[in-house]
Amino acid sequence: DAGVTQSPTHLIKTRGQQVTLRCSPKSGHDTVSWYQQALGQGPQFIFQYYEEEERQRGNFPDRFSGHQFPNYSSELNVNALLLGDSALYLCASRSIVGSEQYFGPGTRLTVT
Amino acid sequence: GENVEQHPSTLSVQEGDSAVIKCTYSDSASNYFPWYKQELGKGPQLIIDIRSNVGEKKDQRIAVTLNKTAKHFSLHITETQPEDSAVYFCAASMAPGDMRFGAGTRLTVKP
Repeated sequence: DAGVTQSPTHLIKTRGQQVTLRCSPKSGHDTVSWYQQALGQGPQFIFQYYEEEERQRGNFPDRFSGHQFPNYSSELNVNALLLGDSALYLCASRSIVGSEQYFGPGTRLTVT
Repeated sequence: GENVEQHPSTLSVQEGDSAVIKCTYSDSASNYFPWYKQELGKGPQLIIDIRSNVGEKKDQRIAVTLNKTAKHFSLHITETQPEDSAVYFCAASMAPGDMRFGAGTRLTVKP
């Protein structure tokens, strides 16, 4: 059983550009959350998707947006990239009826 | 919103000793408290969790305790091994809502 998968593994972008990160949830999971983890810090909640809708959102600007597809996979889009957006972006999945949340390996985004 | 504090930020123990990491949370509505282990270059791995209706849970060398009145919970690792070296994160949530994480504890187990 494949766990949570994310692509790409690493990404380098220039300030002002746009980026799309992708996530496939663990089999049987229908809820996807995205987190930003800066170096040396804990993951910070960006938003959560269920039934193709954004259900909860953390304290992140509108430059961060997402999408969930009918097969439960998800995308994270970040517009107008800033240097401060450089971080590890983690996707996590769970079942809406459960509590256990599992993380993917993350996408390391570097903004230059 | 929920605020989770975690201590200590770094912890060094001798192989075979025990390690304890403590967390406090602010939102009394939180009912789910997982612990994650993160190794270098990897995503966080769920190692144990506890729900608000339980005071203690154990899984081999790992145990977690929860004090709802005081709003704190702790991770206990016994008989530590070098492979336990990693960064450990506590988290709190009102499942299935968003999860708030502590800042992490870097555990080093010296052989």
